[in-house]
Amino acid sequence: DIQMTQSPSSLSASVGDRVTITCRASQDISDYLAWYQQKPGRVPKLLIFAASTLQSGVPSRFSGSGSGTDFTLTISSLQPEDVASYYCQNYNRAPMTFGQGTKVEIK
Amino acid sequence: QVQLVESGGGVVQPGRSLTLSCAASGFTFSNFPIHWVRQAPGKGLEWVALISYDGTNKYYADSVKGRFTISRDNSRKTLYLQMNSLRVEDTAVYFCARGAVAGLYFDYWGQGTLVTVSS
Repeated sequence: DIQMTQSPSSLSASVGDRVTITCRASQDISDYLAWYQQKPGRVPKLLIFAASTLQSGVPSRFSGSGSGTDFTLTISSLQPEDVASYYCQNYNRAPMTFGQGTKVEIK
Repeated sequence: QVQLVESGGGVVQPGRSLTLSCAASGFTFSNFPIHWVRQAPGKGLEWVALISYDGTNKYYADSVKGRFTISRDNSRKTLYLQMNSLRVEDTAVYFCARGAVAGLYFDYWGQGTLVTVSS
C-alpha cells in the first residue's frame, strides 16, 4: 500500500499568514492526490483534486501543487474560518490512503 | 442537492454484526461509485470499501477484508455495509462518500453514523 506522510502534524499561524502543508507519497502517484478540510465536529469537505484543481466553491486562497511523490497545500492568507484539520489522500489505486492530518489553528 | 444519509450505527459487542445503510438523493445514484470511509474517535480518516456504480466491482481495506461486505440497491438508491465479527478497533464514525467521476476521490460526504464496539 502507498503510505502518505503529512507535515507538520499541527501548526499555529496568524490571520493573514501564508500557510503551507506538505504531503509525501511512498511511491510515485502522478497527480492522483486530493486534499480535504474537516472543521471541528464537521464532515470532511473536498478542497482540491488532481493535485492542483480547486473544487467548485472553494475559496481561491487555497491552492495545491506537486506531482509524483511531493505535494503541497497552500492557504495564501489564513482566515479564522480555516481552522480545521487538513488531509491529503492518494487515489492512484485502491486501497486509497490518507495522510495522518494537519491541524491548523489561529495564533 | 446531493444528500447522503447514513443510519444503522449503535453499540454492539465484539464479535457481533451490524449493518449500516446510506440513503442517497439529489443525483443519479446508479451512475456513481460509492465508498465507506471511517474515522475513529479523535483520529484520522481511513478508507474502508468501494463499490462500483453497478455493484459488480468491490474493494476493501485489508483491515476489514473478509469481515465487511459492501453492497448497493440502485432501485432504492441505497448503499449498505454489512459488518461481521466486529472488533473494538472498528469503533468509528462511518461515512458514506460519493466517488467522483474523474477518480477515486470523494466529492460528497454523508454526516456519518457512529459504531461503538464494546463489551
